[in-house]
Amino acid sequence: DIQMTQSPTSLSASVGDRVTITCRASQYINTFLNWYQQTPGKAPKLLIYAAATLQTGVPSRFSGSGSGTDFALTISNLQPEDFATYYCQQSFTTPRTFGHGTKVDMK
Amino acid sequence: QVHLQESGPGLLKPSETLSLTCTVSSGSINNYYWHWIRQSPGKGLEWIGYVDYSGNTNYNPSLKSRVAISVDTSKNQFSLKLNSVTAADTAVYYCARGALSVVPPSYYYYYLDVWGKGTTLTVSS
Repeated sequence: DIQMTQSPTSLSASVGDRVTITCRASQYINTFLNWYQQTPGKAPKLLIYAAATLQTGVPSRFSGSGSGTDFALTISNLQPEDFATYYCQQSFTTPRTFGHGTKVDMK
Repeated sequence: QVHLQESGPGLLKPSETLSLTCTVSSGSINNYYWHWIRQSPGKGLEWIGYVDYSGNTNYNPSLKSRVAISVDTSKNQFSLKLNSVTAADTAVYYCARGALSVVPPSYYYYYLDVWGKGTTLTVSS
């Protein structure tokens, strides 16, 4: 299975901050990488697919980058509704695998 | 707006079989992949498998011996069966729609674009 490693595990930030979360795959996955956002008690929500393509309706302050094994999710101008846990997931092969999440909380 | 709703028991005893159904409303079950994912505090998000509208399946090898996913297009539903459950199967179970974007020349990008709210399963004697 492809292992997905996210860092950091958690971070504290303030409204208006720029935040970057990284995700590393244990093997080459081209750009077959998705990002999801999850708030407590809710299902994950798709933010970005194909490493950098914003899902319809997702604010443009979210952006994704990377290819190969190293990827990043950046949130510019962090908003109150962005405090959540973020997961990366590879779609290069099955079994699909997720990172263990990065929790973004309020400083 | 497509909506997914899981239904099933909240509590099972060890060795019993889990049966969950996901009802797809305001959209067709055709031309998509239909996934089950679970989430537990210890193991995070774990992909269980998918079925497509034709009934083709793909399972996580870690669960393959115990799992079956099926689709009923006439009811716009798909289902998960997991047998011989143990405490390790205690989790929130989500159904999700798998979509596909094709980028020339031949890149097929898969992602989970619609999720159900999730249903909690506790396995306890």
